[in-house]
Amino acid sequence: ETGVTQTPRHLVMGMTNKKSLKCEQHLGHNAMYWYKQSAKKPLELMFVYSLEERVENNSVPSRFSPECPNSSHLFLHLHTLQPEDSALYLCASSQDPWLAGAVTGELFFGEGSRLTVL
Amino acid sequence: SQQGEEDPQALSIQEGENATMNCSYKTSINNLQWYRQNSGRGLVHLILIRSNEREKHSGRLRVTLDTSKKSSSLLITASRAADTASYFCATDAVGMNRDDKIIFGKGTRLHILP
Repeated sequence: ETGVTQTPRHLVMGMTNKKSLKCEQHLGHNAMYWYKQSAKKPLELMFVYSLEERVENNSVPSRFSPECPNSSHLFLHLHTLQPEDSALYLCASSQDPWLAGAVTGELFFGEGSRLTVL
Repeated sequence: SQQGEEDPQALSIQEGENATMNCSYKTSINNLQWYRQNSGRGLVHLILIRSNEREKHSGRLRVTLDTSKKSSSLLITASRAADTASYFCATDAVGMNRDDKIIFGKGTRLHILP
């Protein structure tokens, strides 16, 4: 138990569906992250939120839409995904390094949401 | 571009033996972290070593850092079946923008044979 909870753990969706992934952290952290993990690729950072403000990441397609209503919750809204978007999506939290002197500390990860796009 | 790169990509050893994994990186760093991931699960933080440190221990784990060679190693002593997992290094690069701040490698898959 890392203090970061992700739901659902598994999700199968068609390309025309709309679904959301949810992440909740109970650690009092002020930064939350979405990572994508595909087979044989390094972990890819998708989005960073600090104090509920998003850090822009222009390389992520608009079919992925993050939402951070408060510092404990993070969502990833999914819309018209492609089969190549199938992956393990990991949420993480930390104390924001940019507020703490720009040195990254430990990231706490959730168990991930395994997404399959048909 | 990828910052950290683990070597080897896969490693199988007998239970009780020591396992050594290496990580090389390209730019100056503030610190380097090692994480473990069991199959299909989230990553778990193992140890963080700062750029001004050369060696750090935590239980059966020993991490070294050589900033002149831009490399780190993770040694797991007296391996156990439960150590079977993927191991990742993550570097906090100096001077990077926020999106590139912490970069993970592709990982080393460690398999402990009974």
